[in-house]
Amino acid sequence: SQQGEEDPQALSIQEGENATMNCSYKTSINNLQWYRQNSGRGLVHLILIRSNEREKHSGRLRVTLDTSKKSSSLLITASRAADTASYFCATDMRDDKIIFGKGTRLHILP
Amino acid sequence: EPEVTQTPSHQVTQMGQEVILRCVPISNHLYFYWYRQILGQKVEFLVSFYNNEISEKSEIFDDQFSVERPDGSNFTLKIRSTKLEDSAMYFCASRGNGDTQYFGPGTRLTVL
Repeated sequence: SQQGEEDPQALSIQEGENATMNCSYKTSINNLQWYRQNSGRGLVHLILIRSNEREKHSGRLRVTLDTSKKSSSLLITASRAADTASYFCATDMRDDKIIFGKGTRLHILP
Repeated sequence: EPEVTQTPSHQVTQMGQEVILRCVPISNHLYFYWYRQILGQKVEFLVSFYNNEISEKSEIFDDQFSVERPDGSNFTLKIRSTKLEDSAMYFCASRGNGDTQYFGPGTRLTVL
């Protein structure tokens, strides 16, 4: 598999529920970042977690990182219609570029 | 809040033509990047730029591509002779002293 693979590929949940997306990667990282992309639009940075951190919060977002399993998760609590978007994890391996996964398409149902 | 801007938002060109995509990074940032996203595919790194020179480039960034910081504010990506497969969304990003790269809204390039 490639560096930075999200699962599931697509996720549909009811508004108000929590959404969890996972990311796995293959090599050592400096940090891992999550981005959101609304359809056909730009990439919005959500949160960055460093390799020596295990959990980070930002508003309704909670990110975990397990470097032993080379995996991360993004939890969005109390989802809203506006959260409908694609979510990408991106890994930074200290070589000044970030590698994106294929993303999870999240659809919040009214 | 400062943000990265890109122009144009959509560029249509004929195969073989040269295009220049423009970006204005966040003003106090020193590290600049171009990425592209072919429709339905993942975002791919093209090139990073620091101190007026390329610091890293991917295998996609061949001799047809070049980058330039012509003045204190703009950062450009030039494709000399466009191919059909260059059709994609091109994103510029910039970074300050921290690790976060901030992305612009993208330029959609359509090569006919």
